[in-house]
Amino acid sequence: QVTLEESGPVLVKPTETLTLTCSVSGFSLSNARMGVSWIRQPPGKALEWLAHIFSNTEKSYSTSLKSRLTISKDTSKSQVVLTMTNMDPGDTGTYYCARIRGFCSGTSCYPSDLDFWGQGTLVTVSS
Amino acid sequence: EIVLTQSPGTLSLSPGERATLSCRASQSVSSSFLAWYQQKPGQAPSLLIYGASSRATGIPDRFSGSGSGTDFTLTISRLEPEDFAVYYCQHYGTSRTFGQGTKVEIK
Repeated sequence: QVTLEESGPVLVKPTETLTLTCSVSGFSLSNARMGVSWIRQPPGKALEWLAHIFSNTEKSYSTSLKSRLTISKDTSKSQVVLTMTNMDPGDTGTYYCARIRGFCSGTSCYPSDLDFWGQGTLVTVSS
Repeated sequence: EIVLTQSPGTLSLSPGERATLSCRASQSVSSSFLAWYQQKPGQAPSLLIYGASSRATGIPDRFSGSGSGTDFTLTISRLEPEDFAVYYCQHYGTSRTFGQGTKVEIK
């Protein structure tokens, strides 16, 4: 059974750094055909992709947020960590992690879709 | 960067009716990386369709996806009460963007 669970602070102050952890079970972070993505959703608004770590080594970031984001993983703990610096009230929203499923052709795999999601964690940025 | 535009923004229909949702990409994309998600109020999104036309595990066959190039469609053949939700398309290629969503509401 695949599960993902986000954890982190519910409230951060402007200019602080947010650290979120995604704890996964039911699959291995060392699986080259899979990965973990972070997505956020401001209240009442659409989904926004933030970053992913895929196929052991590939890391990718949203172009608009790249300078503020860092993604990493600890395979032994089955955790993926996202940090976002210089938080602003506009960063308030629900943050989700999701498993990436790869589309594989021959010996190459590419991130394809998000087949399992965590329940999300609401982060509020306010002084 | 590829932009996905979903239409309409809101679809007001009655149970039993057919729903047709559109997702248009700003440039041609690979169907292999086009997915649709359903999000109910207060819940995380869930995968409905991947590879433009393949149903995810457990998804009933009243949901179908089609399209290629720049135009993709999600069709719900007969709306059930549990289908009223927001639907997002996503292309997980180089841009990994989501569309802005289509809300299917009860008329």
